[in-house]
Amino acid sequence: DAGITQSPRHKVTETGTPVTLRCHQTENHRYMYWYRQDPGHGLRLIHYSYGVKDTDKGEVSDGYSVSRSKTEDFLLTLESATSSQTSVYFCAISELGYEQFFGPGTRLTVL
Amino acid sequence: QQQVKQSPQSLIVQKGGISIINCAYENTAFDYFPWYQQFPGKGPALLIAIRPDVSEKKEGRFTISFNKSAKQFSLHIMDSQPGDSATYFCAADDSQAGTALIFGKGTTLSVSS
Repeated sequence: DAGITQSPRHKVTETGTPVTLRCHQTENHRYMYWYRQDPGHGLRLIHYSYGVKDTDKGEVSDGYSVSRSKTEDFLLTLESATSSQTSVYFCAISELGYEQFFGPGTRLTVL
Repeated sequence: QQQVKQSPQSLIVQKGGISIINCAYENTAFDYFPWYQQFPGKGPALLIAIRPDVSEKKEGRFTISFNKSAKQFSLHIMDSQPGDSATYFCAADDSQAGTALIFGKGTTLSVSS
């Protein structure tokens, strides 16, 4: 998985609780992305980062925030999880901004 | 204009046959078109990609055909094998704009033995 790890790999939480997912890369790539994958919707971009402390919103950013304080780490936070945020979350990295490599994913269930 | 439309949603092919998955786009600024392969429980893996300056790119049994005037591109899997059974995603990007890939909704391929 191109030097990308995601943690945790599985998480079950309750509605209204905060959740933070971590993406860690060892490739020193500039760009990092968070996607969610849901049946019938494919992969949808939540947020992405084009450098340390530089982030931008994607297609489905409502209810999510991100932070990138180091090149290697990109955090995705659900401030108050809802059942609609039950999904599989993928992190991706890219050196050039278009050729992306994906991590193994985090399966999140919000009860 | 940002959408990438992928078809079919699912595909069943006999072992040894040709699998064909199609994608269409609207944004003429797109200049990078990758295909990803995803197995259950795994992340998508970059399979093959093409730029619009060529009409075809082949890597082993996988070929991308690109039709710039029609704004369509397709993935052909020759001599399909049961191990090719996976979900395939096309995507497109304007590599100069600093934005992210736009993905199709995926095609689930089953190769029967």
